Amino acid sequence: DGGITQSPKYLFRKEGQNVTLSCEQNLNHDAMYWYRQDPGQGLRLIYYSQIVNDFQKGDIAEGYSVSREKKESFPLTVTSAQKNPTAFYLCASSSYPGVSNYGYTFGSGTRLTVV
Amino acid sequence: AQSVAQPEDQVNVAEGNPLTVKCTYSVSGNPYLFWYVQYPNRGLQFLLKYITGDNLVKGSYGFEAEFNKSQTSFHLKKPSALVSDSALYFCAVRDMRDSSASKIIFGSGTRLSIRP
Repeated sequence: DGGITQSPKYLFRKEGQNVTLSCEQNLNHDAMYWYRQDPGQGLRLIYYSQIVNDFQKGDIAEGYSVSREKKESFPLTVTSAQKNPTAFYLCASSSYPGVSNYGYTFGSGTRLTVV
Repeated sequence: AQSVAQPEDQVNVAEGNPLTVKCTYSVSGNPYLFWYVQYPNRGLQFLLKYITGDNLVKGSYGFEAEFNKSQTSFHLKKPSALVSDSALYFCAVRDMRDSSASKIIFGSGTRLSIRP
């Protein structure tokens, strides 16, 4: 079955640690996205990538980094510079430029908690 | 400015009654509009979209949405609510601020609660 796989489902980070969230898709989608979800704030865009080896900052990129070395993979690193990383992180993908017709396909999310 | 607003944080409906979840938007050009549903600790699932054509759009699980250009609204509706419809609903619009138009802007979400 085609889809997006996010791992792990739950992740705990100690203060000062960097952690990496995995996102893999087998939909042959060109574009991939990372969103952060906090209660009552909806989804906020962290980074997005429209093609391999290229990515753009979203609205809240500070304290995060990404890479796009393969079409299938778009990992997100939450660095120690992110002061409030506890949140639910969602990865999405879309055919490009077909996002207008098909919207996004989402992964099931990773819940990150600082301990 | 490109934006989408969901004025209600929560909507409560009795099972079997009709439901409406409100959404208004502000975009330049023709709007491309979407509704998504999220169940607890899960990703968002696509419900329906409006691109062009008939103002009444039908989607998954018996949901429909009505596009109203004069009121810049895209309200989600269902004639008869089910307890299983209880979830978080997001309205979204294609972001036209960049030439690629490959991003979607999401509303803040409305929690729908259906009581038996």
